[in-house]
Amino acid sequence: QSALTQPASVSGSPGQSITISCTGTNSDVGGYNYVSWYQQHPGKAPKLMIYDVTNRPSGVSNRFSGSKSGNTASLTISGLQAEDEADYYCSSHTSSSTYVFGTGTKVTVL
Amino acid sequence: QVQLQESGPGLVKPSQTLSLTCTVSGGSISSGSYYWNWIRQPAGKGLEWIGRIHTSGSTNYNPSLKSRVTTSVDTSKKQFSLNLSSATAADTAVYFCAREDYSTSGFDPWGQGTLVTVSS
Repeated sequence: QSALTQPASVSGSPGQSITISCTGTNSDVGGYNYVSWYQQHPGKAPKLMIYDVTNRPSGVSNRFSGSKSGNTASLTISGLQAEDEADYYCSSHTSSSTYVFGTGTKVTVL
Repeated sequence: QVQLQESGPGLVKPSQTLSLTCTVSGGSISSGSYYWNWIRQPAGKGLEWIGRIHTSGSTNYNPSLKSRVTTSVDTSKKQFSLNLSSATAADTAVYFCAREDYSTSGFDPWGQGTLVTVSS
């Protein structure tokens, strides 16, 4: 299984909105509504931000939102804040009952 | 709330078996509502899903690692384990354990991670 494709880096100024894409295939992203997103700060474990494409776990800011169109899922961060600077990974269930992660995106707050 | 903690040797010799255990506290490991997962991350690189186990014994593994991976669960100790045979330097990484809800996607919570180095 190949890693899902994410842009290597995305940047934005405080208060702006940014969107991170996650592209897969019909066998993963496009075939299931089982896409999740993770935020990882340096030296820390990843934190679940979005599950099942659009759902936010309790405690996660509503500035984070998810969507999907075809084989591409997206994570949008609105009202960008300094604390949002981190690495972000998408993940998808696959037709083989396995999971695959994205290549990761470094978000920089200018 | 539920917490997960990885443990095991930090150094493994090439060709030997890498063995790790994840201990679950603050909640039940016996509930059929969860899968228990292993995920790794080489230094400076992305996340790689290794595999998962359900308390029923059902398992799923990354096809690229399937021939070398086994997992098990010990409900009495509230632990689940990973064995990765024939380790090489390419297996050097931070290894995380994580819980997955049976009916949804998403790994939560995660353990803090443990660094395993494969070197002679």
